[in-house]
Amino acid sequence: KAGVTQTPRYLIKTRGQQVTLSCSPISGHRSVSWYQQTPGQGLQFLFEYFSETQRNKGNFPGRFSGRQFSNSRSEMNVSTLELGDSALYLCASSLEGTGADTQYFGPGTRLTVL
Amino acid sequence: GQQLNQSPQSMFIQEGEDVSMNCTSSSIFNTWLWYKQDPGEGPVLLIALYKAGELTSNGRLTAQFGITRKDSFLNISASIPSDVGIYFCAGPDSGTYKYIFGTGTRLKVLA
Repeated sequence: KAGVTQTPRYLIKTRGQQVTLSCSPISGHRSVSWYQQTPGQGLQFLFEYFSETQRNKGNFPGRFSGRQFSNSRSEMNVSTLELGDSALYLCASSLEGTGADTQYFGPGTRLTVL
Repeated sequence: GQQLNQSPQSMFIQEGEDVSMNCTSSSIFNTWLWYKQDPGEGPVLLIALYKAGELTSNGRLTAQFGITRKDSFLNISASIPSDVGIYFCAGPDSGTYKYIFGTGTRLKVLA
């Protein structure tokens, strides 16, 4: 069974641009969560999607958005990039996203904003 | 909200030594997950615990779900250089479909 895949693995953008990251969950998993990881802040929850609906959102500005498609694949978008958005963006999938589930992570997308 | 505190924050150990780390929560968790993350990669699930008091092993790794449901422990026996990395504990925030992650324990092994 293939694991969680994320594309692209690396991305360099400049301030003010926007970026779209993609995540394909493990086959059969319907919940997809996104996290931002920086050295100073650790793993911070961005949002979680299930059946194309956002069920939960972390404390990030509206520049961060996401969506999920009918095949459970998910994308996240960051508009008007700032230097502080440089981070490793991780996607994780689980069956239903409930407390009894186990989350599996993708390798991440390393975003650098210049 | 729920918080997870991991200790120690970092540790240097000699190859062959045993390692212990723990994670404590301000409230009850129903699931405990332990992950290891190598530099520049996503966290990899090591062990999942679903029941208070549960003790589960994965090779040289053993994790326990504390009976109070507010803590969990991870032990690594006979450490080797490839054990280097950051170990995270995590658990589901009740009713919000969100997982809470600990701050991580950075393990460095001296050969």
